[in-house]
Amino acid sequence: DAKTTQPTSMDCAEGRAANLPCNHSTISGNEYVYWYRQIHSQGPQYIIHGLKNNETNEMASLIITEDRKSSTLILPHATLRDTAVYYCIVRVAHYGQNFVFGPGTRLSVLP
Amino acid sequence: DGGITQSPKYLFRKEGQNVTLSCEQNLNHDAMYWYRQDPGQGLRLIYYSQIVNDFQKGDIAEGYSVSREKKESFPLTVTSAQKNPTAFYLCASSPRETRGNSPLHFGNGTRLTVT
Repeated sequence: DAKTTQPTSMDCAEGRAANLPCNHSTISGNEYVYWYRQIHSQGPQYIIHGLKNNETNEMASLIITEDRKSSTLILPHATLRDTAVYYCIVRVAHYGQNFVFGPGTRLSVLP
Repeated sequence: DGGITQSPKYLFRKEGQNVTLSCEQNLNHDAMYWYRQDPGQGLRLIYYSQIVNDFQKGDIAEGYSVSREKKESFPLTVTSAQKNPTAFYLCASSPRETRGNSPLHFGNGTRLTVT
């Protein structure tokens, strides 16, 4: 699986959009990009995933560059409850394939 | 409500004792996973199972054992051979489907402290 690089930490003002970047320059054609978040002392929560098209759901939007070497998770109106560690994972679409979680980005939403 | 239940949330044991962590899911998922998380770090895969009565070692299986006798249950035993057992343990599951891109669903973890 391709390796991902994320900033260690970010701050965002409450009510503003939070844009979390992820670099995956060695991604291959059959690898999806997944985003999870983890609030302290809880299990990771699935947010969104995509292959090459931009995706949106009730939680967030995922923007993948045309060359697929990077992506951005957008939380459109961040709230204090969005404070968490956000993980970007690249994984081959194959049943039973492992998800490799790196250290992620610690997002702090500030009042 | 469908989901993954891990119990207990906190577990304390003396060094040298084996301990079993419970993981039950009612999502009808075929695959189940165990991860370990240490403070400030990402998750590391211990064991996973794609089907009943079958399981494979992950990256850090030494000192751990699992069983998969039922589809909904995947207990993890932390043995006395595990040198640093104190950690946050997470169980996850995913369905079997054609495209293979289904996300993992996680339980809320068990925090094990061994003294």
